[in-house]
Amino acid sequence: AQTVTQSQPEMSVQEAETVTLSCTYDTSESDYYLFWYKQPPSRQMILVIRQEAYKQQNATENRFSVNFQKAAKSFSLKISDSQLGDAAMYFCAYTKGWGQGAQKLVFGQGTRLTINP
Amino acid sequence: DVKVTQSSRYLVKRTGEKVFLECVQDMDHENMFWYRQDPGLGLRLIYFSYDVKMKEKGDIPEGYSVSREKKERFSLILESASTNQTSMYLCASSSIKDRGNRFDYGYTFGSGTRLTVV
Repeated sequence: AQTVTQSQPEMSVQEAETVTLSCTYDTSESDYYLFWYKQPPSRQMILVIRQEAYKQQNATENRFSVNFQKAAKSFSLKISDSQLGDAAMYFCAYTKGWGQGAQKLVFGQGTRLTINP
Repeated sequence: DVKVTQSSRYLVKRTGEKVFLECVQDMDHENMFWYRQDPGLGLRLIYFSYDVKMKEKGDIPEGYSVSREKKERFSLILESASTNQTSMYLCASSSIKDRGNRFDYGYTFGSGTRLTVV
């Protein structure tokens, strides 16, 4: 079974600085998707960034970027120029690309990010 | 604005009660999911449905059942609520876009129901 592990229950960073959240996963599949979701106090899950495993280039969305290391099964999220609005719970998630079980998201334990003004 | 709506934001029920959590989506998505969220455990899949009247167990189905009589509605049922089912419950739906040789998945989540069983 696929698993996703986030080893940092909590992280904090000074406003305007850079922080990296770690995620590792385990799968025998070659085709899959990885996601980072943000959950603010409103509880609404917001997609931050997505990576398709077949793409070697790391995904980037404005201040958010990932370091996707397929061989190491690592998928870290880097937040640059941290803002107070970035404070939230962050979840790493995985899903198979096709076949039975595709579309079922498997989540990590979550990392609570605090931004210090 | 596309939406997944969960009927209750907070719910308090007594042990042994039958509890219904309702989820409605307005995006015509085929797939719908129920997750349970607990601190330190992340989100765990309880059940999912890939079509009307179709369902499949997730990782933690014990003590739960589901119903999907219409495409837009997916209900989670706690047959006899217990205190260890106190948790946050999140509903989600997903779409598939066929890109020819690849599929593209998009997920939309509800805002969650915080259930307390006393």
